[in-house]
Amino acid sequence: TAGITQAPTSQILAAGRSMTLRCTQDMRHNAMYWYRQDLGLGLRLIHYSNTAGTTGKGEVPDGYSVSRANTDDFPLTLASAVPSQTSVYFCASSDSPTVNYGYTFGSGTRLTVV
Amino acid sequence: GQQVMQIPQYQHVQEGEDFTTYCNSSTTLSNIQWYKQRPGGHPVFLIQLVKSGEVKKQKRLTFQFGEAKKNSSLHITATQTTDVGTYFCAGNKLTGGSYIPTFGRGTSLIVHP
Repeated sequence: TAGITQAPTSQILAAGRSMTLRCTQDMRHNAMYWYRQDLGLGLRLIHYSNTAGTTGKGEVPDGYSVSRANTDDFPLTLASAVPSQTSVYFCASSDSPTVNYGYTFGSGTRLTVV
Repeated sequence: GQQVMQIPQYQHVQEGEDFTTYCNSSTTLSNIQWYKQRPGGHPVFLIQLVKSGEVKKQKRLTFQFGEAKKNSSLHITATQTTDVGTYFCAGNKLTGGSYIPTFGRGTSLIVHP
């Protein structure tokens, strides 16, 4: 089934450790996004990429980094995790950053930083 | 920056009652989208509205885009238990050559049988 694959599904991480959340799509979408979802705060954009080789900062980028080496993959890295990064992380994509027909979301990664 | 306010945060209804959620943007939007997230799931795209005053229907769901393209609503007629979930609006504005969506905080719908 075409779509977005996120891994891992869930993770418990010790504070201070690093971690990379993986996101792969097979729809050849140009634009990709990382969101975090916290209760009562909705979906907040962390980083985005309009096309392979480019990235941009969203609303809450601090403590996170991304790369976009190719069209399909958009990993999110936490260099030194802190408890406030406990959240559910969703990767999303759209066919184009300039012609928008809706965003496709992955199933999410539930991250707990202890 | 662009802000999208969504109300109410929660709504409890008896099965068969109607439900409405509202979104208001601080700026004029290029389009607005609506998503549904089931408990424990991920957001799923429902519909996109582009034109001023546009109204679209999907079975019992009616979506409206305001004349000024700054507000929108989702109305569900005769709710069913399958409608349970959180409904998000996402306002898109073409900025710097690309769309960066701003999501509302969502309205969680609880349907009591």
